[in-house]
Amino acid sequence: QSVLTQPPSVSAAPGQKVTISCSGSSSNIGNNYVSWYQQLPGTAPKLLIYDNNKRPSGIPDRFSGSKSGTSATLGITGLQTGDEADYYCGTWDSSLSAGVLFGGGTKLTVL
Amino acid sequence: EVQLVESGGGLVKPGGSLRLSCAASGFSFSSYTMNWVRQAPGKGLQWVSSIDSTSSYMYYADSLRGRVTISRDNAKTSLYLQMNSLRAEDTAVYYCARALHDSSVTSDYWGQGTLVTVSS
Repeated sequence: QSVLTQPPSVSAAPGQKVTISCSGSSSNIGNNYVSWYQQLPGTAPKLLIYDNNKRPSGIPDRFSGSKSGTSATLGITGLQTGDEADYYCGTWDSSLSAGVLFGGGTKLTVL
Repeated sequence: EVQLVESGGGLVKPGGSLRLSCAASGFSFSSYTMNWVRQAPGKGLQWVSSIDSTSSYMYYADSLRGRVTISRDNAKTSLYLQMNSLRAEDTAVYYCARALHDSSVTSDYWGQGTLVTVSS
């Protein structure tokens, strides 16, 4: 069970908007930057969002990130069938077991 | 173009050892922190280890500390992961990933991964 909690699955129709939550604590999300990754079936993860809300070059502005307290949210607007993938949040944990944490992942289905 | 190519995976018996390698190109390797992240079949991502640009700082996941050693050779632009006392639960695809910069562990570029299977 991951320290960062994500819903196992979300779904929405093409063209709609979806949000994916990531809940943590003060030792991780509360005091560190959050990143989001997309993993298409059979491929390596791809960075979508870093430093809570920044997009790497080439990532469309349909993808957005936000953070409030000990939770973070990934938003995707104008859903496309090609967005069907697993999405993971990630952050640093500053506790005694310091290290990188990933959420358990959320499977997005575009109906 | 940033390229990360892992190698060294394969089938190993429980208790055995394996050394993974990651050949990097297309960027100034010696300026970046590098990460290893693994993914068991059908499971989520799990961070394994990170090393800063000068090998001054190495970090390990608690569950692997003492069994794995991360290292790098900046002259050869290569990253390594030595894994010992392997267990069935270490079976996973192991990804090499570049961090955003030397003060970050966020991975912005990932290799295609190398599969490690621990089985008798």
